[in-house]
Amino acid sequence: NAGVTQTPKFRILKIGQSMTLQCTQDMNHNYMYWYRQDPGMGLKLIYYSVGAGITDKGEVPNGYNVSRSTTEDFPLRLELAAPSQTSVYFCASLATIMSPLHFGNGTRLTVT
Amino acid sequence: GQQVMQIPQYQHVQEGEDFTTYCNSSTTLSNIQWYKQRPGGHPVFLIQLVKSGEVKKQKRLTFQFGEAKKNSSLHITATQTTDVGTYFCAGPVTGGGNKLTFGTGTQLKVEL
Repeated sequence: NAGVTQTPKFRILKIGQSMTLQCTQDMNHNYMYWYRQDPGMGLKLIYYSVGAGITDKGEVPNGYNVSRSTTEDFPLRLELAAPSQTSVYFCASLATIMSPLHFGNGTRLTVT
Repeated sequence: GQQVMQIPQYQHVQEGEDFTTYCNSSTTLSNIQWYKQRPGGHPVFLIQLVKSGEVKKQKRLTFQFGEAKKNSSLHITATQTTDVGTYFCAGPVTGGGNKLTFGTGTQLKVEL
């Protein structure tokens, strides 16, 4: 099993550009999450989804959008990138709230 | 809102010394999970504690869940260089469905 796969691994954006961070999981997990981690800091929840067609905001949703058209995919969209969005983005999934989170390898994004 | 704090923020030890990180929640937790993140890597699940006062061991690692289920600790006996990384606790958001709040993390460095 591949688990949680994120692409790209690295990306540099100019201010104002847009991009989509891809996340896919092959474990048939209903719950999927997007976190961002600033250097030396903890993880902050951006958006999450409890199943296809259902998404909700986390702690820091401003500047981002998500969609969940299938169980497997949970892309994160950045519109009008800003330097404050420079971070490492992790996608994660889990089976139930009592289960462990499975993380992807992350996308390191720099906005200049 | 719910806060999960960890102390210390950083810890440098000599190889062979013990290490402990403490996790404190502002609200009672139904369960708590611990994750380890190696430098440049993604968080990896270590263990979950559910019962009040529960103690679990994994080789040199001992995990405890407080009686009031508001705090937890991770103790490493005789640290090794392979223990280097950041340790996070995480607990369900009160009334937050399937969201996990991550602690602020403790970064461990082990010197030879």
